[in-house]
Amino acid sequence: SQQGEEDPQALSIQEGENATMNCSYKTSINNLQWYRQNSGRGLVHLILIRSNEREKHSGRLRVTLDTSKKSSSLLITASRAADTASYFCATGGSGNTPLVFGKGTRLSVIA
Amino acid sequence: NAGVTQTPKFQVLKTGQSMTLQCAQDMNHEYMSWYRQDPGMGLRLIHYSVGAGITDQGEVPNGYNVSRSTTEDFPLRLLSAAPSQTSVYFCACYGRADEQFFGPGTRLTVL
Repeated sequence: SQQGEEDPQALSIQEGENATMNCSYKTSINNLQWYRQNSGRGLVHLILIRSNEREKHSGRLRVTLDTSKKSSSLLITASRAADTASYFCATGGSGNTPLVFGKGTRLSVIA
Repeated sequence: NAGVTQTPKFQVLKTGQSMTLQCAQDMNHEYMSWYRQDPGMGLRLIHYSVGAGITDQGEVPNGYNVSRSTTEDFPLRLLSAAPSQTSVYFCACYGRADEQFFGPGTRLTVL
């Protein structure tokens, strides 16, 4: 099954710094999604980027997609303590194809 | 709208017991999925459904059954609980926009 792999597994930064997380996947995709999970809670959708897009922005989030390298990155600018969470990339999810998740990056933002 | 609801929130079972995890959505989405989340493993797909009456297996289906008699409900049945099924279970739904909506999860412990 196609699966994203996030890198790094854990990231600790100071408030105000930027956080960058990377995702690599194995097979061709229609889209790639990023989700956030606060401790003990369900996942929340952050952003979806389609295979014909190279970059997408949403507030302080910037996602890039390089289909030639089968990789994506999530940039959170000017991080806040409230951004502390696990972040997952996921592929699939179009029509009859269910989403498959990576193992996630645990982000800690220190005030 | 409640979105995706899951019951119970917590459950403790003894080995060999059976139970059903309930999942309901009021978003009228065609697609629904069940995932389990274990420490360091990300989310793994158990079963999914592309519509009422249609289900399929995911990555880790053994020991679980599902059915989809209505658009709204997608229960997950543990046939004979085992300690290896101790996990947090998430139900999700999505429509043609691909974004998945997750329930709050059920924490299951099998003794």
